[in-house]
Amino acid sequence: QKEVEQNSGPLSVPEGAIASLNCTYSDRGSQSFFWYRQYSGKSPELIMFIYSNGDKEDGRFTAQLNKASQYVSLLIRDSQPSDSATYLCAVNGRGGYQKVTFGIGTKLQVIP
Amino acid sequence: DAMVIQNPRYQVTQFGKPVTLSCSQTLNHNVMYWYQQKSSQAPKLLFHYYDKDFNNEADTPDNFQSRRPNTSFCFLDIRSPGLGDAAMYLCATSRDLTPRDEQYFGPGTRLTVT
Repeated sequence: QKEVEQNSGPLSVPEGAIASLNCTYSDRGSQSFFWYRQYSGKSPELIMFIYSNGDKEDGRFTAQLNKASQYVSLLIRDSQPSDSATYLCAVNGRGGYQKVTFGIGTKLQVIP
Repeated sequence: DAMVIQNPRYQVTQFGKPVTLSCSQTLNHNVMYWYQQKSSQAPKLLFHYYDKDFNNEADTPDNFQSRRPNTSFCFLDIRSPGLGDAAMYLCATSRDLTPRDEQYFGPGTRLTVT
């Protein structure tokens, strides 16, 4: 069982729509959850992090965490062509040092 | 601006010819990481330094070594690159090693092995 699972996509959405990116993780003791955006040929850029159950909003981005279901998602409202990228979900483990485990990423395509 | 810098951005080396990649940071973070990322794959952690303490991942080949001479700099040495080592190499830093310490990535070095 993969530790962090994402659908590789591509996920295609029209400009202005809401893009919903999903991630599941296997370690029930995971504490911290990160979303990175990675443009083709570039390095990952941190866009959101969430630690507690519920929603966390930052501009057009909302991260949602459900620890009981071991599920974290990223919503992008009013999607723009510039949002077209691969979105990596990353999970950090329970107390003490646990390395961050990355998912394979979901490729998002926003169609003008 | 505080940042993570990697040099060179593109590196071409010959099969078996040693190569060194460089990373520096102005964030004054305690932890520096090296990741390998191949096309359409997740970043794979090779090792990390917490201050001067080196931590190697169990599945990192012996061909990969690292040095951290001071807080700001960290190097990745590939002793005998093979064709399978062609990848993007990412340096990242974090303030500390708690689960809430997010990692910040440099721009990466694209390594080509001919």
